[in-house]
Amino acid sequence: DAGVTQSPTHLIKTRGQQVTLRCSPKSGHDTVSWYQQALGQGPQFIFQYYEEEERQRGNFPDRFSGHQFPNYSSELNVNALLLGDSALYLCASSLGIPSGGKETQYFGPGTRLLVL
Amino acid sequence: GEDVEQSLFLSVREGDSSVINCTYTDSSSTYLYWYKQEPGAGLQLLTYIFSNMDMKQDQRLTVLLNKKDKHLSLRIADTQTGDSAIYFCAESRYNNNDMRFGAGTRLTVKP
Repeated sequence: DAGVTQSPTHLIKTRGQQVTLRCSPKSGHDTVSWYQQALGQGPQFIFQYYEEEERQRGNFPDRFSGHQFPNYSSELNVNALLLGDSALYLCASSLGIPSGGKETQYFGPGTRLLVL
Repeated sequence: GEDVEQSLFLSVREGDSSVINCTYTDSSSTYLYWYKQEPGAGLQLLTYIFSNMDMKQDQRLTVLLNKKDKHLSLRIADTQTGDSAIYFCAESRYNNNDMRFGAGTRLTVKP
C-alpha cells in the first residue's frame, strides 16, 4: 500500500521564479493538505483541497496556490519566489476532511526547496 | 493567536525514560498529537489523544494530558538510539482542517 508520495525530493530555484510541487495521496485518501516547514520550525498549514476545491487556507499570500485533480493528486504552486520561501514542503493526505484522531493526516517525505 | 510550545532539546541515556513536554494555548483544541521526524524524512504519527482523555498508553509510549493547564507530555520508556529524532506536538480542533505544530524537540539518545 503506497503511502503519500511527493516529487521532486529537492529543488533549487532563484528569486522571482515559479515552482510546482506534486503530491500523490495515500491509496484510498481523497483530501490533501500542504504545509511549509522552515528550518528549525514546525510545519505551518498552507491550505487543504477536498473534492478539487480549496477548503481552508492558512496565513499564506496569494503567491501560494494549488490544485487537486480528479485522481486526488495535488499540486502546490508558488509564484515570485522569495528567499524566505526556502523550506521543506510537506503534503499530507486523509480520508474526508479530517476531524482529528483516526481520520488524521498521513505525511509524505516532503520536497526541500532552496531559493537562491 | 494560538501557540504550541515545546522545549527544543532533550538528551537521555539509552535505557532511560524520556519525557517530552508541550504546552498549548487554544482551549478549543480537540485532538493532540505527537509526531516523529527523522533526518530527511516526513512526519510519522506516533500517537494522539482526544481532549476528554487524560492518559493514553501505546507500548513504550505514554501520553499524559492536563487539560486544565493545557499541558501535554510524551513519555518514551526504555529509550533506544533509534528513538533519536525530532518530536513534534500538534493540536487540532474538531472539524477544523488545519493542525498547529510546535517547533519540535530534538531528542538525542546516548549509548
